[in-house]
Amino acid sequence: DAGVIQSPRHEVTEMGQEVTLRCKPISGHNSLFWYRQTMMRGLELLIYFNNNVPIDDSGMPEDRFSAKMPNASFSTLKIQPSEPRDSAVYFCASSLIAGVGEQYFGPGTRLTVT
Amino acid sequence: DAKTTQPTSMDCAEGRAANLPCNHSTISGNEYVYWYRQIHSQGPQYIIHGLKNNETNEMASLIITEDRKSSTLILPHATLRDTAVYYCIVREGGSEKLVFGKGTKLTVNP
Repeated sequence: DAGVIQSPRHEVTEMGQEVTLRCKPISGHNSLFWYRQTMMRGLELLIYFNNNVPIDDSGMPEDRFSAKMPNASFSTLKIQPSEPRDSAVYFCASSLIAGVGEQYFGPGTRLTVT
Repeated sequence: DAKTTQPTSMDCAEGRAANLPCNHSTISGNEYVYWYRQIHSQGPQYIIHGLKNNETNEMASLIITEDRKSSTLILPHATLRDTAVYYCIVREGGSEKLVFGKGTKLTVNP
């Protein structure tokens, strides 16, 4: 298996623009997670899905952020409008069974908002 | 908030065992201890987890004290590629959430 796939790997955009990050989880995994990592705040969970249903979005910073999982093999994290403080590395992770075992992380998307 | 305390940084000589401590004095009976690591510019990688008993896999060993208030991750023969930030995480059984603290920056020196 190719592991968790994220695209793009790097994104540079101007403030106010819409940004869409994409994730393909490992085939057969039932849970998907979006994390954000910054120097100041470390690695934070933004939202996670079980069987394509959002379970906990309490980590989503504000209404500018939204996430969807239209099917078991694809998820998006959208920021609109983007701001410089959104600059971070965004990781997607998936796990096989809810609440058990390990999460497998993708390589991340490095977002820079100027 | 993270429920664990780890040293900020540690050094280890290549080929020697690396012993990374973690304190989790408020751990409850149904909470597991997980270890992940993050090599520079990569996503976190699962290493090992345990509840009460010591665990070993191809990557590392996890030693949990009898009172479960602390644990040690052991990399038996550290290599330069083991240089990374190591995160000790307490996770409630059945919970999906991983709460990452600041971790320990392990540097393996030649």
